[in-house]
Amino acid sequence: GAGVSQSPSNKVTEKGKDVELRCDPISGHTALYWYRQSLGQGLEFLIYFQGNSAPDKSGLPSDRFSAERTGGSVSTLTIQRTQQEDSAVYLCASRTGTGGGYTFGSGTRLTVV
Amino acid sequence: QKEVEQDPGPLSVPEGAIVSLNCTYSNSAFQYFMWYRQYSRKGPELLMYTYSSGNKEDGRFTAQVDKSSKYISLFIRDSQPSDSATYLCAMSARSNYQLIWGAGTKLIIKP
Repeated sequence: GAGVSQSPSNKVTEKGKDVELRCDPISGHTALYWYRQSLGQGLEFLIYFQGNSAPDKSGLPSDRFSAERTGGSVSTLTIQRTQQEDSAVYLCASRTGTGGGYTFGSGTRLTVV
Repeated sequence: QKEVEQDPGPLSVPEGAIVSLNCTYSNSAFQYFMWYRQYSRKGPELLMYTYSSGNKEDGRFTAQVDKSSKYISLFIRDSQPSDSATYLCAMSARSNYQLIWGAGTKLIIKP
């Protein structure tokens, strides 16, 4: 597609449930990033995929968080046993392998009740 | 100390004013500098992309990099209410390295 697509745009879930967030990057973009942004806060790096290399998971806040990227394209961020502190906007971004600016999706607003 | 420092604001100015947004950084290896604009409930969008020192102009926006002072600026001329948003700076040492982000400055342009 023309841009980075994220779904769902909004998700309300009960504490303790698992959620899956999806990101469809720009076609041909080999680099894909997940960030978390709490209300009024900056971007918190979560995980980075580059081509077929092992992902950089250094930003994942706990082992309840995991992500995969299938076929070098679509990525899914999974949060298990959600907690209220997981409530935030989850942003996905992609870019070409040679660098340049990131293109962001509009994010998934997650609310854990 | 964070690698990139940015005043979170909010910065409130009247319509038509010149706005100056700034970031300082500590890593002298940074060479690629970007400014993003983020409207409420939207993802950040790239505004300006510069390499090394100097100025870059695009319409009402001017990005300035002073590597000797480790200081970057974004100037907005003839500010409009539609410029009200959060502005984030980002930078990296190599073009394909991960970006290091400032916390963002919330800008409010009053009609």
